[in-house]
Amino acid sequence: EDQVTQSPEALRLQEGESSSLNCSYTVSGLRGLFWYRQDPGKGPEFLFTLYSAGEEKEKERLKATLTKKESFLHITAPKPEDSATYLCAVQAGDSWGKLQFGAGTQVVVTP
Amino acid sequence: EAGVVQSPRYKIIEKKQPVAFWCNPISGHNTLYWYLQNLGQGPELLIRYENEEAVDDSQLPKDRFSAERLKGVDSTLKIQPAELGDSAVYLCASSSGQGHGELFFGEGSRLTVL
Repeated sequence: EDQVTQSPEALRLQEGESSSLNCSYTVSGLRGLFWYRQDPGKGPEFLFTLYSAGEEKEKERLKATLTKKESFLHITAPKPEDSATYLCAVQAGDSWGKLQFGAGTQVVVTP
Repeated sequence: EAGVVQSPRYKIIEKKQPVAFWCNPISGHNTLYWYLQNLGQGPELLIRYENEEAVDDSQLPKDRFSAERLKGVDSTLKIQPAELGDSAVYLCASSSGQGHGELFFGEGSRLTVL
C-alpha cells in the first residue's frame, strides 16, 4: 500500500533559522511528488512538482529536493509569513490523477 | 482570474440531517476533485471527475454520499443522512489536465455535525 509520511509533525523556528522538512514515501511507480502550502482556514496552494530523483526546484526561500525514497523541503532564512502547514503528496503509477497526501508539517516562524 | 469557489464556507447541522456543498471550478478546468480533510490530516480524495464523468469514486461512501457534475462545470456533493464522524472540511479542487498534479483548491466547506 502506498504511504506518505511527513516529519516532523510541527516545527517552531526563529526568523532566519533555516531548517528542513522531510517527506518519505513508499509507492509503486512514482509519477510525481508535490509540495503544497496550506494556511489556516484555506485550501492547499501548489508549490512544486518533482518527477525524478536528483531533481530540485526553488521558489524564494523554499527549495525542494527528491531522492528515490524521500523529499526534503528546505526553508532558508524563514520569515514569519512562511508560517503554514506544508503538505507533501505523491502520484503513483497505478492511480493516475489521484494525489495521496501526507499529514503535513506545521511550521511556525517567530520574529 | 477567479479561483475555485465553494459554498457554504461553514455549515452546522444535527446528525441525520442532509447537507449539500457546491463548487464552481476555474474556468476551462475539465478535472474536478472533492477531497475530505480531517483536523491535523492531509486531504483524502472522495471523487474525481473528468468533465461530467466520475472516473474515480472508489473512496466515496456511497451509502450516504453522492455527487454530481452536471454539464461538466459546477459540482455538488451531498451527504444524507449526516453522521457525527462526517465533521470535517470538504475541499473542492480543479486542474487543467488528467493526471496533472497541480491542483487549485477552494477554501473549503467546514461541516460540523452535532
